[in-house]
Amino acid sequence: QLQLQESGPGLVKPSETLSLTCTVSGGSISSSSYYWGWIRQPPGKGLEWIGSIYYSGSTYYNPSLKSRVTISVDTSKNQFSLKLSSVTAADTAVYYCARVFLEWLPTWFDPWGQGTLVTVSS
Amino acid sequence: EIVMTQSPATLSVSPGERATLSCRASQSVSSNLAWYQQKPGQAPRLLIYGASTRATGIPARFSGSGSGTEFTLTISSLQSEDFAVYYCQQYNNWLTWTFGQGTKVEIK
Repeated sequence: QLQLQESGPGLVKPSETLSLTCTVSGGSISSSSYYWGWIRQPPGKGLEWIGSIYYSGSTYYNPSLKSRVTISVDTSKNQFSLKLSSVTAADTAVYYCARVFLEWLPTWFDPWGQGTLVTVSS
Repeated sequence: EIVMTQSPATLSVSPGERATLSCRASQSVSSNLAWYQQKPGQAPRLLIYGASTRATGIPARFSGSGSGTEFTLTISSLQSEDFAVYYCQQYNNWLTWTFGQGTKVEIK
């Protein structure tokens, strides 16, 4: 059974870079059938797609975040990572990683990691 | 960007009753729509993809319908474990995936 687990600092200072890693177990991140994605959810609010990556390194980013986001993949470790630069309090959220089914383009998210709360505060 | 609008924001339903949730897209997304369920403190769980196909392990009381800009998630007979927040998500727009703001299904 595929599982995803987010890891990284729970507290980041304003203007610094948020860095998270998602470790995939029970399956290979190098599968040609899937992308891998990041989604976030501010406390008490809805879901926002951040970006998605293929095992080859091909990426799609949310245009509203594109200038600050970098998503990378490490197939040797079965992990993919998120970096979000110049963070502000508005970036405080639970960050989820998820597998993305690939049809003619990336589609729905399943399964999801349990999520990790990142707070931006000095 | 395609905007997804869900209604109502909150739906009060008694156990055993039928719940009907709506999701509207600002432009056509064909059948490229998924539904998720999220319980407090948990990650979202995929319920429906392709507008009407149940994901693995999802009970038959959950059904999805619609295409284009109008979509519906129906829970035929609400069980206690179904009280949660439900989100729709479109994946038709090239390079951008967007979610609705959610509908909370609460006990009446």
